[in-house]
Amino acid sequence: GQQLNQSPQSMFIQEGEDVSMNCTSSSIFNTWLWYKQDPGEGPVLLIALYKAGELTSNGRLTAQFGITRKDSFLNISASIPSDVGIYFCAGLRGTSYGKLTFGQGTILTVHP
Amino acid sequence: GAVVSQHPSRVICKSGTSVKIECRSLDFQATTMFWYRQFPKQSLMLMATSNEGSKATYEQGVEKDKFLINHASLTLSTLTVTSAHPEDSSFYICSAILAGDKSSYNEQFFGPGTRLTVL
Repeated sequence: GQQLNQSPQSMFIQEGEDVSMNCTSSSIFNTWLWYKQDPGEGPVLLIALYKAGELTSNGRLTAQFGITRKDSFLNISASIPSDVGIYFCAGLRGTSYGKLTFGQGTILTVHP
Repeated sequence: GAVVSQHPSRVICKSGTSVKIECRSLDFQATTMFWYRQFPKQSLMLMATSNEGSKATYEQGVEKDKFLINHASLTLSTLTVTSAHPEDSSFYICSAILAGDKSSYNEQFFGPGTRLTVL
């Protein structure tokens, strides 16, 4: 099935740095979601975005739903070692009940 | 709340055997559950949508006779990989949607995944 284009594929940063990752699509999504997955675990929802232009924060995380409804970004400020993991964006179309389309993931490594 | 469990967490089997993976919603009822497959360093790919009391809906390219799904109750869905082959080795993850969720977005709660290795 279709995947979202997520970038970058991986990031290696120093503790305390800010991080930004984004997802784009050729088609419109009605809901954008950002998940974090730790090794050997299932994804955990970080932020859900429901409206075009919406900017939502969850602690050090901030995500935005693009105006065109074809993109979204996630920012992590002042990264800490426990931010390490794989971050996935996911999109939901209004016509597909519950069926998420996932991005390829961004592997984040934080050096102390 | 909204905890989803999977059993087993890891399984190793011989080629040609069948393996059953359980997905349970522990503290809520789920009319709909989803099964995903994730290969190493890749994204989650939806395999099928499991609805309580009815047949599962499979995504294009997923063999329904190979990946049998049974959603017998509002808290349990099972995925059986029949005649497993080494290429079926993967991380299988389920998710569940809260029954009666009337919100515009029905949040999916993910299980911890099952690592299947076929020798």
